[in-house]
Amino acid sequence: QKEVEQDPGPLSVPEGAIVSLNCTYSNSAFQYFMWYRQYSRKGPELLMYTYSSGNKEDGRFTAQVDKSSKYISLFIRDSQPSDSATYLCATAYGGSQGNLIFGKGTKLSVKP
Amino acid sequence: GAGVSQSPSNKVTEKGKDVELRCDPISGHTALYWYRQSLGQGLEFLIYFQGNSAPDKSGLPSDRFSAERTGGSVSTLTIQRTQQEDSAVYLCASSTRGGQGGELFFGEGSRLTVL
Repeated sequence: QKEVEQDPGPLSVPEGAIVSLNCTYSNSAFQYFMWYRQYSRKGPELLMYTYSSGNKEDGRFTAQVDKSSKYISLFIRDSQPSDSATYLCATAYGGSQGNLIFGKGTKLSVKP
Repeated sequence: GAGVSQSPSNKVTEKGKDVELRCDPISGHTALYWYRQSLGQGLEFLIYFQGNSAPDKSGLPSDRFSAERTGGSVSTLTIQRTQQEDSAVYLCASSTRGGQGGELFFGEGSRLTVL
């Protein structure tokens, strides 16, 4: 079992829809949870960052972490064609350990 | 306001040849990471540098892969005797601090094709 599981999609929604993207993880030692967005032929860029359980909202985006069920979610409200990208969840142990562990990414397409 | 710069952006090579991929991180970023992204496989961690030392090399897939970082800045990823399964996009990222979930700033990647 990989440490972070993510459905690769693809996911296609009409403009204005609410999008729900999800990941599960296996190691309860993970403390930091992130969502990165990657446009085609570009590097990933940080979208949302949370520490431990709870919700974090930024404009149309809400990140949710449930450590009891080891579940990470990203919600996009009023989705726009410009949201079309691959969304990658990522986790980190924290402390001195350096690398992030990424899910495979979910490819999202928002149709006008 | 330069971001992470990677070169070459595209590299086509023949099986068995050696390749070098370069990463120029954001100035002042002490942490540097190499990841590999293959179709349908997500981002695979390769190696992490803090300054010039590499506390975590656990992701390097074989001894054909090596990386170094000099002057706390530029890093080179070298793949010797390339194989077709090495074809992927190699992404470099830098961060102001390693660990603790510090934001990674990625370059646009070097797309390697091994024929």
